[in-house]
Amino acid sequence: AQRVTQPEKLLSVFKGAPVELKCNYSYSGSPELFWYVQYSRQRLQLLLRHISRESIKGFTADLNKGETSFHLKKPFAQEEDSAMYYCALSGSGNTGKLIFGQGTTLQVKP
Amino acid sequence: NAGVTQTPKFRILKIGQSMTLQCTQDMNHNYMYWYRQDPGMGLKLIYYSVGAGITDKGEVPNGYNVSRSTTEDFPLRLELAAPSQTSVYFCASSDRANEKLFFGSGTQLSVL
Repeated sequence: AQRVTQPEKLLSVFKGAPVELKCNYSYSGSPELFWYVQYSRQRLQLLLRHISRESIKGFTADLNKGETSFHLKKPFAQEEDSAMYYCALSGSGNTGKLIFGQGTTLQVKP
Repeated sequence: NAGVTQTPKFRILKIGQSMTLQCTQDMNHNYMYWYRQDPGMGLKLIYYSVGAGITDKGEVPNGYNVSRSTTEDFPLRLELAAPSQTSVYFCASSDRANEKLFFGSGTQLSVL
C-alpha cells in the first residue's frame, strides 16, 4: 500500500538552529515526492519536489530509496519558516493524485 | 490572476442538509482535485478529474459527488450532510500529472 508517514506532529526549534522534518514513504515503484507548505492564512503551496533537486528558501530534501525517506532540511531556521509542512507522494498511474502525510507543524522560536 | 477560487469560505450545515462547494480555475488546467483536511490526518483525496467529462473516486468518496462539465469548474456536492463531514475542503488543479498543484483557499464546513 502507498503511504506517507510524518512521525512528528510538532517540531519546535530556536531561530538559527538546524531543522529536519522527517518523511518516510511506502511505495513499490519509483516515487515522485513533494513537500508542500501552508503558512498562516495562506494557501497550501509547493515548496519543492525531488525531481527538480532545487533548494527553495534554503530548504533541501534528498530522496533516499534505501531508507524510503525524503526528509526536509534547512541548516538555519528562520521565524518566517513557521508553518505546517506536508510531505506527499504521487501514486501510480498518470492521474497526479497525491498521498499526503499527516503534516508537521514547525514552530521557530525567537 | 485568480488561480483557483473556492466558494463559500465558511458554511454551517444541519445534519441531513445538502450543499455544493464551488471550485473554478482560470489556468486551463486539465487536472482537478478535491481534498479534505482533518486535524492530525493530513489531506485525503475525495474525488479527482483528469479532464472535462472525466471524474473518479479518491480515497474517501463516500457521501460526496462531483461533476466536470467544463474545464474550469469542478463542484463538490454533499447530499446528506453528516457530522463526519465537518472538515476543511481544498480544491486544487494542475497542468499535468505530477506537476505542481495550485490550491484554493479552502472551505471550512461544520455540520451540526
